[in-house]
Amino acid sequence: KQEVTQIPAALSVPEGENLVLNCSFTDSAIYNLQWFRQDPGKGLTSLLLIQSSQREQTSGRLNASLDKSSGRSTLYIAASQPGDSATYLCAVFRPDSGGSYIPTFGRGTSLIVHP
Amino acid sequence: GAGVSQSPRYKVAKRGQDVALRCDPISGHVSLFWYQQALGQGPEFLTYFQNEAQLDKSGLPSDRFFAERPEGSVSTLKIQRTQQEDSAVYLCASSPILAGVGTDTQYFGPGTRLTVL
Repeated sequence: KQEVTQIPAALSVPEGENLVLNCSFTDSAIYNLQWFRQDPGKGLTSLLLIQSSQREQTSGRLNASLDKSSGRSTLYIAASQPGDSATYLCAVFRPDSGGSYIPTFGRGTSLIVHP
Repeated sequence: GAGVSQSPRYKVAKRGQDVALRCDPISGHVSLFWYQQALGQGPEFLTYFQNEAQLDKSGLPSDRFFAERPEGSVSTLKIQRTQQEDSAVYLCASSPILAGVGTDTQYFGPGTRLTVL
């Protein structure tokens, strides 16, 4: 069974710091990996999607890398802002026996960026 | 509305009651997913639909959980004889592509917070 672990569980930093959030998974047979953001009382918003054949994806101040063979991904947030405060979730999608793609999520990293 | 909507946003049920949670996906999205998110946990997959067909229900925790999408649009997740361990946020997501041929961004609703007393 796929297990996804996110470290750290919580992070509190001053504005302007560069951050690294870590995600590891036990089964490297994944189709893709996605990073999501979840704000309190709201659903998830997809930030970055990395296909299994890719090494990284970038969007603005966000950069996500994927090392499939070692079962690791990192989300890099540059020049953090208070508006980045949220829970960040990592999910790996794998094909199941029925041909569908089922996600397994980590527990998330709760980030607070204070002014 | 342009996004995924869910109703009710909050539901309090007494143990043993039946509940029905509704999801309105983005118009035209063929795939619809249900997740259960317990406090402090990541979402856990419950089931998904491709149009009106329920292609995978392996994540449903017991036979008290039932989901349907009869016309390939709105979906309902029903929980019979609710138990305290059913307390969680239930998230719905939709996607414009056929889930069986790959993955794309899933668009999530705000969730329904179910509390079973």
